[in-house]
Amino acid sequence: DTEVTQTPKHLVMGMTNKKSLKCEQHMGHRAMYWYKQKAKKPPELMFVYSYEKLSINESVPSRFSPECPNSSLLNLHLHALQPEDSALYLCASSQDRTSGWNTGELFFGEGSRLTVL
Amino acid sequence: SQQGEEDPQALSIQEGENATMNCSYKTSINNLQWYRQNSGRGLVHLILIRSNEREKHSGRLRVTLDTSKKSSSLLITASRAADTASYFCATRQTGANNLFFGTGTRLTVIP
Repeated sequence: DTEVTQTPKHLVMGMTNKKSLKCEQHMGHRAMYWYKQKAKKPPELMFVYSYEKLSINESVPSRFSPECPNSSLLNLHLHALQPEDSALYLCASSQDRTSGWNTGELFFGEGSRLTVL
Repeated sequence: SQQGEEDPQALSIQEGENATMNCSYKTSINNLQWYRQNSGRGLVHLILIRSNEREKHSGRLRVTLDTSKKSSSLLITASRAADTASYFCATRQTGANNLFFGTGTRLTVIP
């Protein structure tokens, strides 16, 4: 069983909708990640938060807006998405690597499968 | 792209046989990790090897790392049908919180 919980498991939205994906972990990890994964492709890094601050944005379009309200929660706000944004969105957490003392192993949630009509 | 490359893309073997997957990457790394993903599910961490290590074992898994060639291999011995999954290598740059995944190998173990 994963210790990273993602909701909802499935989401269908129109191109004009605004929705959010949520992720929660209670392992005390201070780094949290969003990945996007298309079918039969590897996960692609989107955002990394370190100590609740955005530390990496892999040139993600602004229609994806991440938010880290506290050390346990990570949201991904979705607005004006395109059908090609349909994918599995994976959240992960790890001990913060920049402290230099951790392994950097990521713990993943089961993902939110998004379909944009 | 900082994504690594894996080969083969797909591998089909009989139960009990060994499976070997290879990973090549592009940048200097702090460590290299291997993950497993069952279809449509989240990824599960299998094993991590640091840049100053050359080989590591965990149960039926054996990982090697050659930093001069920027490559790694994952060996699964005595495979089982339950090992059927996609396997990804992932690299982490020194002092960074990023983790970039390779293209993956889809392993099918036939009972």
